[in-house]
Amino acid sequence: NAGVTQTPKFQVLKTGQSMTLQCAQDMNHNSMYWYRQDPGMGLRLIYYSASEGTTDKGEVPNGYNVSRLNKREFSLRLESAAPSQTSVYFCASHRGTEAFFGQGTRLTVV
Amino acid sequence: AQRVTQPEKLLSVFKGAPVELKCNYSYSGSPELFWYVQYSRQRLQLLLRHISRESIKGFTADLNKGETSFHLKKPFAQEEDSAMYYCALLMNRDDKIIFGKGTRLHILP
Repeated sequence: NAGVTQTPKFQVLKTGQSMTLQCAQDMNHNSMYWYRQDPGMGLRLIYYSASEGTTDKGEVPNGYNVSRLNKREFSLRLESAAPSQTSVYFCASHRGTEAFFGQGTRLTVV
Repeated sequence: AQRVTQPEKLLSVFKGAPVELKCNYSYSGSPELFWYVQYSRQRLQLLLRHISRESIKGFTADLNKGETSFHLKKPFAQEEDSAMYYCALLMNRDDKIIFGKGTRLHILP
């Protein structure tokens, strides 16, 4: 059982570069989330998807775009990375009660 | 508006002392509450849920609808309890989970 899988685990970007964080779940969950986690700030919701083809902005969506092309996958894109986007990113999914998290992506923007 | 509030960013407790991590929520529907834990450099994982009324690793949490609280308690802290703890609310109407900002629990030797 893979659960929620995120790639990559680590990434260093230069300011202005773009990249896509991938997330896939194999539990047939409807809801998927992208969070960022920063010291002293806890988890902050970037985007949320209730089902395939639907997405909603969370608390901190600026500078990010998402895509939910199918039920399994929910990707997060940084079009022009900024140092303020240095963070640990977590993907999560749930259906009904318990939420499951990926192992995180540690992103550094220099 | 629906909200989960964890008033303490950091809680330091001596080993063997009681622990209480506070969580308050705001939700007009029927709430389902959870506690998640994140150990150093690991992913978040479910610790316990209120509907199970279970004790996990010595932790318990009781849903108090009158006070809209779901505080996490442990009578005797252990060093391995040091972690980040998040309270979460499942909004059944929207099938969406929202998290509090988290409390870092630091157990002092």
